[in-house]
Amino acid sequence: DVKVTQSSRYLVKRTGEKVFLECVQDMDHENMFWYRQDPGLGLRLIYFSYDVKMKEKGDIPEGYSVSREKKERFSLILESASTNQTSMYLCASRETPQETQYFGPGTRLLVL
Amino acid sequence: GENVEQHPSTLSVQEGDSAVIKCTYSDSASNYFPWYKQELGKRPQLIIDIRSNVGEKKDQRIAVTLNKTAKHFSLHITETQPEDSAVYFCAASPGRTYKYIFGTGTRLKVLA
Repeated sequence: DVKVTQSSRYLVKRTGEKVFLECVQDMDHENMFWYRQDPGLGLRLIYFSYDVKMKEKGDIPEGYSVSREKKERFSLILESASTNQTSMYLCASRETPQETQYFGPGTRLLVL
Repeated sequence: GENVEQHPSTLSVQEGDSAVIKCTYSDSASNYFPWYKQELGKRPQLIIDIRSNVGEKKDQRIAVTLNKTAKHFSLHITETQPEDSAVYFCAASPGRTYKYIFGTGTRLKVLA
C-alpha cells in the first residue's frame, strides 16, 4: 500500500510567518506534487518535482517555494504567510505520468 | 492552454438511480485519465482510470468511457448508494508534461 503522509493535519499561523509543510512518501516515487484546494476552484498545482533536487512551477507558485533534498520528502515553504494562503494543502506522489497520483491526508492551514 | 472542463458541478440523484459526470479535455496528446473520489474531510482517492488505447473500462458499479475523437470522457455510476455521495474529480495527463490537469469537481448527492 502506498503511503503519503503530511506533517500536520491542522496548522494556525500568523501573517508574515515562514511556514513549512512536509510530505513524505514510502514508495520510491519519482514525481511529487503540492496542490491547494479551495471551494469551487478544485485542485490547483503549486509546484511539482520530477526528481530529487528538481522542481518546476505549477499554476500558482507565487508566494511559495519548495525543497526536495531526498527522494521521499517534498517540502512546501510559505516564505511570508498571508491570509489569502489560508487553504487546504494536499501533497501527492506517483511513479510516472501514466500512473495514478496518491494523495496525502492534507494540511488545513489558517493564516490569521 | 491545457484545460479540463467538468460538468455538472453538482448532481443529485435518488438512491438506486444512475449518475453520469462528463469531462472534456483540450490537449489531444493526453493519454491517461483518472477519476478521483473525495469524501468530506478526506483525501482524493482513485476510483477508476482509463488509458487512451481503451474505449471503456468497468469496475463493478463504476465505468468510464473515453471518446478520443471528441476529447471527452465520462464516469458512470450505476445503482447509486448513499456512500457514493462525495466530490468527484476527473483529470487528464497530457503526456508531454508531468502535470495532471484536473477538472473543477462534481459534488454528487445520493438521496435516500
